[in-house]
Amino acid sequence: TQLLEQSPQFLSIQEGENLTVYCNSSSVFSSLQWYRQEPGEGPVLLVTVVTGGEVKKLKRLTFQFGDARKDSSLHITAAQTGDTGLYLCAGAKSRGTSYGKLTFGQGTILTVHP
Amino acid sequence: DTGVSQNPRHKITKRGQNVTFRCDPISEHNRLYWYRQTLGQGPEFLTYFQNEAQLEKSRLLSDRFSAERPKGSFSTLEIQRTEQGDSAMYLCASSLIGLSYEQYFGPGTRLTVT
Repeated sequence: TQLLEQSPQFLSIQEGENLTVYCNSSSVFSSLQWYRQEPGEGPVLLVTVVTGGEVKKLKRLTFQFGDARKDSSLHITAAQTGDTGLYLCAGAKSRGTSYGKLTFGQGTILTVHP
Repeated sequence: DTGVSQNPRHKITKRGQNVTFRCDPISEHNRLYWYRQTLGQGPEFLTYFQNEAQLEKSRLLSDRFSAERPKGSFSTLEIQRTEQGDSAMYLCASSLIGLSYEQYFGPGTRLTVT
């Protein structure tokens, strides 16, 4: 059972287009992380959101944490070919048996064509 | 470079052989995590250490898997009697205790069991 569901799984767009990736769960997380991973490499941390309703911007990337802390979204404006990669969301819990580990979604493979 | 490092980057082994991977975390990080990632999936948690203590192990970690962090610095992950199903990317991450959700990943070790 996937605790974090990402959609879409695949996204193929032209350079300059906008896109949104969604990360949904029935569980509440104390924080949610977004990572970007290139083939053959480890995930690279992009952002952490911890407060319900929080919005963070990183250049052309906008991250939002849902009010109930069960979902998040990543929006990219004017995509570039360098944005191509696997985008992963990961949730963390603050207590209980899940404390200390990240639960990942299955990822969204983004391909930006020139 | 003060990031997380992993060795080797690639390992090809025959079924039934034992393999050992090493992870060197970011020097001031006292938490160290191991994850496994198969093609098309997000990373799955295997185990984590706080200093030298192993605090949690996933059910994914069969008896053939063992991890150590003897001095609270680097860690090793050993797989005995490898099986083809063990083929995956093995990722190591580290964090500070107070910011355990902000985990920084190494480049991974790609294991292929033939």
